Amino acid sequence: QSVLTQPPSVSGAPGQRVTISCTGSSSNIGAGYDVHWYQHLPGTAPKLLIYGNTNRPSGVPDRFSGSKSGTSASLAITGLQAEDEADYYCQSYDTSLSGFYVFGAGTKVAVL
Amino acid sequence: QITLKESGPTLVKPTQTLTLTCTFSGFALSTRGVGVGWIRQPPGKALEWLALIYWDDDKRYSPSLKSRLTITKDTSKNQVVLTMTNMDPVDTSTYYCAQASLSSWSQYFHHWGQGTLVTVSS
Repeated sequence: QSVLTQPPSVSGAPGQRVTISCTGSSSNIGAGYDVHWYQHLPGTAPKLLIYGNTNRPSGVPDRFSGSKSGTSASLAITGLQAEDEADYYCQSYDTSLSGFYVFGAGTKVAVL
Repeated sequence: QITLKESGPTLVKPTQTLTLTCTFSGFALSTRGVGVGWIRQPPGKALEWLALIYWDDDKRYSPSLKSRLTITKDTSKNQVVLTMTNMDPVDTSTYYCAQASLSSWSQYFHHWGQGTLVTVSS
């Protein structure tokens, strides 16, 4: 069971907006540690999508945005495209016995 | 341009020790705030962080696997090595190494290798 909780799947039609939640606790997100998001396409390396809660690395479209509040964070994808169909993982730092660098269980985004 | 590449055996037998090497370029592991971590993904499952080595040679391990893992670095060769003892079929995974950016409140994996699939089977 992951320390960070994500919905198993979300879906949307092309052009729509979808959001993925990432819920943590007082030992990770709630303690003030940043949340980061990765996009993972099968057979490829995970790609950093959002770092430091809201920042996009160079080359990541502005359709992707992140936010954080309290013990949770969210990734939003606006103008959903077929190429966005992938697994998305949140990640943070945890100070409990669960580990230091923790990932969510991942969310599959399906483009209908 | 930052690149990382994992190398090692694709097949190991149960109880054997796995040794994986991450060879990287485009950054120096001696730079403050930089680390290299190992993350794995069993087939059909989620990413799982395993270990990380910091620029100052500090090391962190997943608590659930700590007794089986050792991470080391060779700064002169731009390599990080992960060993995992007593391999079991449940350890069958794609193993990734990744460059980490590390600060007090923000630690993330910026650049990733392509991954290497390790199968544990007799």
